Amino acid sequence: RKEVEQDPGPFNVPEGATVAFNCTYSNSASQSFFWYRQDCRKEPKLLMSVYSSGNEDGRFTAQLNRASQYISLLIRDSKLSDSATYLCVVIYNTDKLIFGTGTRLQVFP
Amino acid sequence: GAGVSQTPSNKVTEKGKYVELRCDPISGHTALYWYRQSLGQGPEFLIYFQGTGAADDSGLPNDRFFAVRPEGSVSTLKIQRTERGDSAVYLCASSSQKGHTDTQYFGPGTRLTVL
Repeated sequence: RKEVEQDPGPFNVPEGATVAFNCTYSNSASQSFFWYRQDCRKEPKLLMSVYSSGNEDGRFTAQLNRASQYISLLIRDSKLSDSATYLCVVIYNTDKLIFGTGTRLQVFP
Repeated sequence: GAGVSQTPSNKVTEKGKYVELRCDPISGHTALYWYRQSLGQGPEFLIYFQGTGAADDSGLPNDRFFAVRPEGSVSTLKIQRTERGDSAVYLCASSSQKGHTDTQYFGPGTRLTVL
């Protein structure tokens, strides 16, 4: 079983739609959680950190459920520029990032 | 300011050859990480440096892989006797200090193809 699991997609949604991605992690000792965005043939870039209380950044909302070991990302009012792969990332008690395989999003006009 | 840079951007080599991949972290960043990303997968951790020393090399797949950071800045990932399975994008990241909440900034990667 992978340490961080995501549905690879692709998710094909029209502009303006709301889309949600989910991620589960296997190590209950995980301490930090993030969503990274990766455009085709580019490096990953931090989108947002994820906290138990939930956090929002504009059209993006991230949520962490420690009891279920589950992380989510909600994107409202999707834009064409949101098309990318979204990587769920977990850190245990060291500094190395543990990545999921990524969920591919394609927003169409 | 300048971000993380990696050279070369692309490297094509033949099976059995030796390759070196270079990473220039963001100036002043003490922590440096190497990851490998295969097609359709997320990046996988290889090794982490804090300053000049390798703090965690648990992700190196075997003894053909080695990395150095002699002056605590630039790092070189070295792969001996390359195999076709080593083909991947090798990503370098740096962060300002040890601490798992510090953002890791990634370079553009080196795309390695082993023929």
